[in-house]
Amino acid sequence: NAGVTQTPKFQVLKTGQSMTLQCAQDMNHEYMSWYRQDPGMGLRLIHYSVGAGITDQGEVPNGYNVSRSTTEDFPLRLLSAAPSQTSVYFCASSYAGDSNQPQHFGDGTRLSIL
Amino acid sequence: GESVGLHLPTLSVQEGDNSIINCAYSNSASDYFIWYKQESGKGPQFIIDIRSNMDKRQGQRVTVLLNKTVKHLSLQIAATQPGDSAVYFCAEIETGGGNKLTFGTGTQLKVEL
Repeated sequence: NAGVTQTPKFQVLKTGQSMTLQCAQDMNHEYMSWYRQDPGMGLRLIHYSVGAGITDQGEVPNGYNVSRSTTEDFPLRLLSAAPSQTSVYFCASSYAGDSNQPQHFGDGTRLSIL
Repeated sequence: GESVGLHLPTLSVQEGDNSIINCAYSNSASDYFIWYKQESGKGPQFIIDIRSNMDKRQGQRVTVLLNKTVKHLSLQIAATQPGDSAVYFCAEIETGGGNKLTFGTGTQLKVEL
C-alpha cells in the first residue's frame, strides 16, 4: 500500500515553461487536493476534487489547472511558470462525505522557477 | 491564525517533559479539527483529530483539547522524545465545507537532549 505518491520530488523550471506535477493514490479515496507550502507558512489549497470528473478551485487557484479522469490520479498543471510559483507542492487524499476523514499527504514536489 | 511571515513560533522542551502546542482558530463554523506533524522534507502526517461535539480526545502519548468558547485548540505530547521534533500544524474544516482543510501557520517543536 503506497498511499499518496507524488512525482517528481524536485524540479527546476524557467519562467514561462509548463509542467505537470503528478499525484496518485491507491486507497480508493474520492477526495483529492493540491496544496502549496511557502516558507514559514501553512498549506494553502489550490484545487480539489470530490470524485472523477469533478474539480473545483481552492484558495489560490490562479496559474494552475487540474483534471480528474480517474479516481487514482489528480495531476496539477502549471501553464506558464512564474517565480511566484516557487514552492513545495503537496497532494492529499481522503474519503469524502460528511463523516470527515483526515487527509493523507504525499511527500511533496519541491519546485523552483528561475 | 494569522501568518507570522518567515519565522515559525518555536517551542523548545527538554526530552521527557510534556509539550503543549497551541492553536487559535477564527471560524466559528468549523466543526472538525486535525493536528498534523511535518518532519523536514516530508508531507504532513496525521496525529489526532477531534470533532466539535467533544472537548478532549486522547491518543497514544497525545491529547487534543478543544475550547469552542474561545476558539482554541491545543496538542499535548507526553514524555516528549527527540523523534517528536517537527513542525506541528492545526487544521480545521468548516461545517458543510466538505473536506476542505484550512491550515494554521505551524509551530516548530525542538526537543533538547
